[in-house]
Amino acid sequence: LAKTTQPISMDSYEGQEVNITCSHNNIATNDYITWYQQFPSQGPRFIIQGYKTKVTNEVASLFIPADRKSSTLSLPRVSLSDTAVYYCLVGVLNRDDKIIFGKGTRLHILP
Amino acid sequence: DTEVTQTPKHLVMGMTNKKSLKCEQHMGHRAMYWYKQKAKKPPELMFVYSYEKLSINESVPSRFSPECPNSSLLNLHLHALQPEDSALYLCASRKGRGTDTQYFGPGTRLTVL
Repeated sequence: LAKTTQPISMDSYEGQEVNITCSHNNIATNDYITWYQQFPSQGPRFIIQGYKTKVTNEVASLFIPADRKSSTLSLPRVSLSDTAVYYCLVGVLNRDDKIIFGKGTRLHILP
Repeated sequence: DTEVTQTPKHLVMGMTNKKSLKCEQHMGHRAMYWYKQKAKKPPELMFVYSYEKLSINESVPSRFSPECPNSSLLNLHLHALQPEDSALYLCASRKGRGTDTQYFGPGTRLTVL
């Protein structure tokens, strides 16, 4: 399984765009990149998933360079409610695959 | 219905008690998971059930005993726990193949006295 490295914490302000980068140098050919968001005392919630280039949904964008050794989660115009822990996971989601959460990034949005 | 439910929401138990955590999903997902999460730490995988069969046990102590009675239900039986087992216990499910994602329940906050 590809190991992931993320910043431990980040601060930003309401209305700003926030970019969180995840490093995964030993990503395998069949691996996908998935991001989850977790609020205190709640289960993680899926945000976005991608394989290469750019993926966008109503919540976020995911940028993946050609070498796929890193990825960047982009949250547009954050609000206080985006304060949470964000986890980057890399792997192939087969039924017997293990899904290991990295340490995550604690994002704190300031007014 | 894209929800995973967990009961109870909170549980306090003594070290000699026997209790069970329950997880339910009605999305037709064939893979179900138990995770343990300590404060300010990432979730740690405990067990994986695939098509109602235990496929992964991450060397979890025998005082935790999982059970999958049917494709919608996952239980975690607890016996003779230690105070260090106090944590948030998360259940998740996944469709079972391909690039689909996990859906997590809200968790059970367990306190062992």
